[in-house]
Amino acid sequence: GIQVEQSPPDLILQEGANSTLRCNFSDSVNNLQWFHQNPWGQLINLFYIPSGTKQNGRLSATTVATERYSLLYISSSQTTDSGVYFCAVGQGTGNQFYFGTGTSLTVIP
Amino acid sequence: NAGVMQNPRHLVRRRGQEARLRCSPMKGHSHVYWYRQLPEEGLKFMVYLQKENIIDESGMPKERFSAEFPKEGPSILRIQQVVRGDSAAYFCASSPPGTVGNTIYFGEGSWLTVV
Repeated sequence: GIQVEQSPPDLILQEGANSTLRCNFSDSVNNLQWFHQNPWGQLINLFYIPSGTKQNGRLSATTVATERYSLLYISSSQTTDSGVYFCAVGQGTGNQFYFGTGTSLTVIP
Repeated sequence: NAGVMQNPRHLVRRRGQEARLRCSPMKGHSHVYWYRQLPEEGLKFMVYLQKENIIDESGMPKERFSAEFPKEGPSILRIQQVVRGDSAAYFCASSPPGTVGNTIYFGEGSWLTVV
């Protein structure tokens, strides 16, 4: 299956700081999504972004499919942004995803 | 519109017992996926089902694990003769019918602990 690597594995930020999370994948994909897993374990969709750029409030994401990577930008971070951010990619006819091991983000006040 | 509903949220089983995890997809969604998350790891795909059909079970262990999505009622993930290594969070996701690339929505997970 596809290999998905995320970096950095851990990140500690002061509230208000900006950050960039990276996702590299080893093969062409037709689906890519970013998820946030909060400290209670819930998985929240952030972006469906197999290519291009999207923005939603303080978050934005860019996927360069030809170079097999995606970036998630978090601006003006808040303590509620803490949790694990997963990149998930798919290439099949359904929505079977391969997940990265995540970036664990801690935002301190 | 209720989200993906999973139950139980937490389940404790002794080694050798059976665990049954249930998932009701979002209204209008006919595709269901099960994923497993071991501690400190990402999610691993297990199985993809549509009503009364298993579409892809490439991620399911060959023994003790089975899944179904009947015409009526929730999808069930069944683990027979549980072992300590089955302790994990099991997430169900659903997506609407149609072409590839639909956003999937996850339930809140079922945490299985085998003692």
